[in-house]
Amino acid sequence: DIVMTQSPDSLAVSLGERATINCKSSQSVLYSSNNKNYLTWYQQKPGQPPKLLIYWTSTRESGVPDRFNGSGSGTDFSLTISSLQAEDVAVYYCQQYSTNPPRYTFGQGTKLEIK
Amino acid sequence: EMQLVESGGGLVPPGRSLRLSCVASGFTFDDYAVHWVRRAPGKGLEWVSGISWNSGDIRYADSVKGRFTISRDNAQNSLFLQMNSLRAEDTALYYCTKDKDSFLSGASYGGFDYWGQGALVTVSS
Repeated sequence: DIVMTQSPDSLAVSLGERATINCKSSQSVLYSSNNKNYLTWYQQKPGQPPKLLIYWTSTRESGVPDRFNGSGSGTDFSLTISSLQAEDVAVYYCQQYSTNPPRYTFGQGTKLEIK
Repeated sequence: EMQLVESGGGLVPPGRSLRLSCVASGFTFDDYAVHWVRRAPGKGLEWVSGISWNSGDIRYADSVKGRFTISRDNAQNSLFLQMNSLRAEDTALYYCTKDKDSFLSGASYGGFDYWGQGALVTVSS
């Protein structure tokens, strides 16, 4: 089974500063037939369901601010918030998708707070 | 506005059963795969089960295989999760969530784009 490991487990960043969350997969999430990395990022604020932020490693979901950026390939990925806003306080999850058989594995989550 | 509304959660003793429901509105339900994802207290998200648009492909996490059954009724815009032989470790907030794709094995997978507020399941004696 694929294991997704996020680092750090928690992170405190000052308002306006950059925040970076890392996600490492135990196996490549590259789908060779179309060269897509099926790596997705979600944001979950307290008392709310998760919200889709980024899919295919770096494609922002409609309405997501452009301060959120995803990058990486193969087994190593990152979510970067370029200038932290107060409303970005949340737990962030990476998720991989493998096609055969279909599996959807989440990382353990990274709690982002304001310093 | 797209909406997913779960119901059927509650407190049950270990070994008993519970059935969750999720009613969708604001989109063409039978165009998309749908899933159940849970979050146990103090833990992260765990994918539980998924079903393709026409129920032709159904998958389960190993932790629930043989105990949980997912189904859907496209005429009623509804998703279900029958949970049998419940264990303490099944205690969680269960979310109904919509896939961007119709299939579970599709190359177009782009995440789960809409989520309900969740139904709380507590397994305890």
